[in-house]
Amino acid sequence: TQLLEQSPQFLSIQEGENLTVYCNSSSVFSSLQWYRQEPGEGPVLLVTVVTGGEVKKLKRLTFQFGDARKDSSLHITAAQPGDTGLYLCAGASRFSGGYNKLIFGAGTRLAVHP
Amino acid sequence: EPEVTQTPSHQVTQMGQEVILRCVPISNHLYFYWYRQILGQKVEFLVSFYNNEISEKSEIFDDQFSVERPDGSNFTLKIRSTKLEDSAMYFCASSAGTGGLDTQYFGPGTRLTVL
Repeated sequence: TQLLEQSPQFLSIQEGENLTVYCNSSSVFSSLQWYRQEPGEGPVLLVTVVTGGEVKKLKRLTFQFGDARKDSSLHITAAQPGDTGLYLCAGASRFSGGYNKLIFGAGTRLAVHP
Repeated sequence: EPEVTQTPSHQVTQMGQEVILRCVPISNHLYFYWYRQILGQKVEFLVSFYNNEISEKSEIFDDQFSVERPDGSNFTLKIRSTKLEDSAMYFCASSAGTGGLDTQYFGPGTRLTVL
């Protein structure tokens, strides 16, 4: 059974601080996707990383996929109150038919205080 | 920007009743999925669907569940006889299925409440 362990579960910081969220597994994933989810809404895609060691930047957010494609991190620089939300990582298991099944982490609930 | 849509946004039903949750995937996508999220828990995979048949289903997706693509645009999840434990957010997702970068895009969800 594939599992994704996401940490920390909760993070409460002041505006301007940096933070890192981690997503770890013992399984290899074909790709890893990061989503942000607001209460009562669906996950909204932030980024997909595919290649081991890949780094992608989205404004103040930096995403990295581990060399072995088993882990990933999300780093936010100079966090702002608008970054407050639930961040989810999801690993994709690719089957021969070409489709993926996403395995989700439990999420990191981030609160950024002014 | 194309998006996945779902209806209804909230469905309340009595235990034992049948419900149909509807989704319109992104138009040029080929792979369709249903996930669910019980309040306070992880998003869980239910089923994937491609070329008019189920590709894979989880243990949750038992005989009470079925999926269908009745026309060229809709994708539905039917629960035949709902149980209290079926209460959850149900998310539809779709992907283009174009090689390694096969990102799944999610709809806003249907909140199912079984009384």
